[in-house]
Amino acid sequence: GAGVSQSPSNKVTEKGKDVELRCDPISGHTALYWYRQSLGQGLEFLIYFQGNSAPDKSGLPSDRFSAERTGGSVSTLTIQRTQQEDSAVYLCASSLLAGAIQETQYFGPGTRLLVL
Amino acid sequence: GNSVTQMEGPVTLSEEAFLTINCTYTATGYPSLFWYVQYPGEGLQLLLKATKADDKGSNKGFEATYRKETTSFHLEKGSVQVSDSAVYFCALSDRLGANNLFFGTGTRLTVIP
Repeated sequence: GAGVSQSPSNKVTEKGKDVELRCDPISGHTALYWYRQSLGQGLEFLIYFQGNSAPDKSGLPSDRFSAERTGGSVSTLTIQRTQQEDSAVYLCASSLLAGAIQETQYFGPGTRLLVL
Repeated sequence: GNSVTQMEGPVTLSEEAFLTINCTYTATGYPSLFWYVQYPGEGLQLLLKATKADDKGSNKGFEATYRKETTSFHLEKGSVQVSDSAVYFCALSDRLGANNLFFGTGTRLTVIP
């Protein structure tokens, strides 16, 4: 597609439920990132994929958060046993890897998650 | 470590006023620097970038110069328009490895006619 797409655009869930957030990166982009934008924390990095592997998971806030990427394309961010503090906008970005240098990241519109 | 400190808002200006949003950074290496913009109801968009010292990024009348000596990347525009009302984020990446972005807290700009 022309840009990064994310689904759903909005998700309301009850505390304790699991949620899955999806990201479709720009075609051909090998790198994929998840960020979280929340009122208290600003924009924070969660996880990075290069191809299907995730060499950097340092930003995941707890073991309730996990992510996978298949076929070097679509990625899913899963939050288990959601808590109210998980409420935020979850942003996905993708970029090209040119040699050892990562190119500019392009962001999707985000998924707004509200945990009641 | 890497971090970005950005001028706190909100900032309210009249149309055609001069805009400066300050941004300073701390980095362990030689980062790339970015300004991203988030218009109301829309996602983050890259506004401009600079990848090395003394580079000037520019787009849509906005400019920012990568100043290594002052570790700054201030955003400027000579004459703002109502359509520039948005939240502006300064960010850096270390380019190698994960290259994840470190963001400032964002500055909300409102331009009034």
